Amino acid sequence: NAGVTQTPKFQVLKTGQSMTLQCAQDMNHEYMSWYRQDPGMGLRLIHYSVGAGITDQGEVPNGYNVSRSTTEDFPLRLLSAAPSQTSVYFCASGSNYGYTFGSGTRLTVV
Amino acid sequence: AQSVTQLGSHVSVSEGALVLLRCNYSSSVPPYLFWYVQYPNQGLQLLLKYTSAATLVKGINGFEAEFKKSETSFHLTKPSAHMRDAAEYFCAVSGLTGTASKLTFGTGTRLQVTL
Repeated sequence: NAGVTQTPKFQVLKTGQSMTLQCAQDMNHEYMSWYRQDPGMGLRLIHYSVGAGITDQGEVPNGYNVSRSTTEDFPLRLLSAAPSQTSVYFCASGSNYGYTFGSGTRLTVV
Repeated sequence: AQSVTQLGSHVSVSEGALVLLRCNYSSSVPPYLFWYVQYPNQGLQLLLKYTSAATLVKGINGFEAEFKKSETSFHLTKPSAHMRDAAEYFCAVSGLTGTASKLTFGTGTRLQVTL
């Protein structure tokens, strides 16, 4: 089925560890983005991309890194995990006619 | 710059009553506006969208929203609430800069439906 695929669904990290959250879409969307969802704060934009090779920072970019080498993939890297990065992460792709979200990655940093 | 304000983090209605979830936006360009729903432990599902066509937009599950430029509002309504409508609802805005631009969310409104 067409859509946005995120992996893994769950992850526990120790403080200081690094990891990559994967996001792939098969709808040929130019726009992709990463959000984190925390209670009472809605979804906050971390990084976004408007095409392969083009990325920009969102509202809360510190501690995260992204790259966009293909239209399909937009991985999010945590360079040195901190407990403040415990959250649910969503990847989205789309356009002003609609955005599709992945099912999320629940990350716990201990 | 763009932003969204959702008034009321929690709204409780009786089954069969009117649902009204409020959303006000700020945008320096003509906005595209969206409502998303999130059921517990799930992702976000698009309810409806305003893309500069008709100001009254009908979505899925009986929801609709009206774009009012003079009030910078895009409130979500449903005439008769059902238990299955209990979820968290998010309003979002994106700007008309090409075919894709940043999507900014409000903080969400949790809808409770009681018998």
